[in-house]
Amino acid sequence: RKEVEQDPGPFNVPEGATVAFNCTYSNSASQSFFWYRQDCRKEPKLLMSVYSSGNEDGRFTAQLNRASQYISLLIRDSKLSDSATYLCVVVGSQGNLIFGKGTKLSVKP
Amino acid sequence: DAGVTQSPTHLIKTRGQHVTLRCSPISGHKSVSWYQQVLGQGPQFIFQYYEKEERGRGNFPDRFSARQFPNYSSELNVNALLLGDSALYLCASSLAHRGGGTEAFFGQGTRLTVV
Repeated sequence: RKEVEQDPGPFNVPEGATVAFNCTYSNSASQSFFWYRQDCRKEPKLLMSVYSSGNEDGRFTAQLNRASQYISLLIRDSKLSDSATYLCVVVGSQGNLIFGKGTKLSVKP
Repeated sequence: DAGVTQSPTHLIKTRGQHVTLRCSPISGHKSVSWYQQVLGQGPQFIFQYYEKEERGRGNFPDRFSARQFPNYSSELNVNALLLGDSALYLCASSLAHRGGGTEAFFGQGTRLTVV
């Protein structure tokens, strides 16, 4: 089993749609989780941290379910500028970032 | 303030050659990590350095090595290049070496093509 697994994608949605990405992780001892965004041929950038209580940043909501080892990202009212690859990240035992394969989102007019 | 800077941005090498990639972290950041991102995959951890010492190593062969200098900049070296080493090499800078709660900032990467 891979350490971090994400929805295969790609997701093609119209502007204004709500889209949800899911991610599972294998190490139950993991403590820290993030969502990164990566635009085509660019570097990954931190989108938001993921907390047990769930957290929201504008149109973006991240949730963590430790019992199921499951992380989610919800994007409401999708914009064209949201088109990117979304990477689920778990912090490993060495303090390193363990990335999922990423899910590509295309928002169409 | 300058972000994480990497050089060169693009590089073409021949199989069997050696390559050195460079990274300058954000001012004040003491931790530098290196990642390899092959097309269609997420970045894979190669090394982490903190205060000039190796603090973590991913599952990469000994052909890969790195070091961190007193000014916290870092080099990634790859010997005996293989076609499969073609990838985007990313450097990440952070304040501390434990990733939890410490945001990592990535450079724009070095795109290495091995022919």
